[in-house]
Amino acid sequence: QVQLVQSGAEVKKPGSSVKVSCRASGGTFNSYVVNWVRQAPGKGLEWMGGIIPMSGTANFAQKFKDRVIFTADESTTTANMELSSLRSEDTAVYYCARCLYSSSWYLAFDVWGQGTMVTVSS
Amino acid sequence: QSVLTQPPSASGTPGQRVTISCSGSISNIGSNTVIWYQQRPGTAPKLLIYSNNQRPSGVPDRFSGSRSGTSASLAISGLQSEDEADYYCAAWDDSLHDAAFGGGTKVTVL
Repeated sequence: QVQLVQSGAEVKKPGSSVKVSCRASGGTFNSYVVNWVRQAPGKGLEWMGGIIPMSGTANFAQKFKDRVIFTADESTTTANMELSSLRSEDTAVYYCARCLYSSSWYLAFDVWGQGTMVTVSS
Repeated sequence: QSVLTQPPSASGTPGQRVTISCSGSISNIGSNTVIWYQQRPGTAPKLLIYSNNQRPSGVPDRFSGSRSGTSASLAISGLQSEDEADYYCAAWDDSLHDAAFGGGTKVTVL
């Protein structure tokens, strides 16, 4: 059973960028979509978009489409999310999550990473 | 302000049945299937229900989902202390071309 292992916590200055990685352990991504979901402290879940590592096809939530880049490297079974022009409101836990279905953008995510806390503070 | 509306809290005693509502519109719940997640404190969300009423393997049959029109609901029967968590509904929104999530419902076992 594949597990998703994310990179460690980050502290960033406003205006800078952050890159969070998500590695598939015990398997590969195959043709599954790797989604990114964030959760601000005490708040709900927010879908940011995702990528199909096999093809590089990406999909973006409207709110983030101008500030986020999704990449993936199949050789290292790693997917990355880079968010730029950071502001305090971007302080959140960022999760990667795999879709239940192969090659599908369906919002049912059955495998999740442990989460990466990103703090944006001057 | 979340696109899908959930009550902020719900509670029950052990063994009781608790129901959580999720209200949307024709462009989300009215057109697409609903997903439910459970999130215990300090942990990642867990897929509980997909396609309105399907349970992934390993999810107890105490959890059930339903959809009617532009609303959905999650029922927890035989409430247990381990069910104390936040619950989120989600659906794709065809008008927004985006994912819609509820604000979450905190379930407390009294």
